[in-house]
Amino acid sequence: QVQLQQSGPGLVRPSQTLSLTCAISGDSVSSNSASWSWIRQSPSGGLEWLGRTYYRSKWYHNYAVSVKSRMTVNPDTSRNQFSLQLNSVTPEDTAVYYCARELVGPRTNWFDPWGQGTLVTVSS
Amino acid sequence: QSVLMQPPSVSAAPGQNVTISCSGGSSSIGNNYVSWYQQLPGTAPKYLISDNNKRPSGIPDRFSGSRSGTSATLGITGLQTGDEAHYYCATWDDSLSDVVFGAGTKLTVL
Repeated sequence: QVQLQQSGPGLVRPSQTLSLTCAISGDSVSSNSASWSWIRQSPSGGLEWLGRTYYRSKWYHNYAVSVKSRMTVNPDTSRNQFSLQLNSVTPEDTAVYYCARELVGPRTNWFDPWGQGTLVTVSS
Repeated sequence: QSVLMQPPSVSAAPGQNVTISCSGGSSSIGNNYVSWYQQLPGTAPKYLISDNNKRPSGIPDRFSGSRSGTSATLGITGLQTGDEAHYYCATWDDSLSDVVFGAGTKLTVL
């Protein structure tokens, strides 16, 4: 059974960097059949996919257009985990952040499982 | 505003059936498979359906999915009070090159 355990601070100051980590058990961050994503949920409830990392003979990274210039998703193979860094945060980045394993096929993808979520508040 | 349109809320009595719609376009639902997620209050979303209509093991067959053209539908039969949750659809959008989610539908079991 795959489980994802998130960690990281719940309060970040404006203009600083938001950093979260997702530890994987039951699968490998280097899996050739999975991707590892970050998704956030705004206070209004909407879900927004942010980015992913995955390994297919080499490492790849994809990011949502909305955060591409500020976001980095990195794998850590020694600890079997992956991380999110979001730079120059503003109060609009306040949300619950989730990590998730993404399973992909031809013209299909789904997220299973999800981490427990981390409420991150951007405030001075 | 979400790329995928869902009704904000639906409601029905225990034992009844309900459907939740998810409307997209030719670059999203029209050309890619849809997945559905259930989010119970205070918890993370949970995977319900992939590939428009495939249920993972452990998800009751009361839950079903379908797609027609640029719209998808989640069906729930024999409603139970434990089904009260928010339900989200998701797919890939070829034009945006992003995963897109619906805004979510709150299901109330009266």
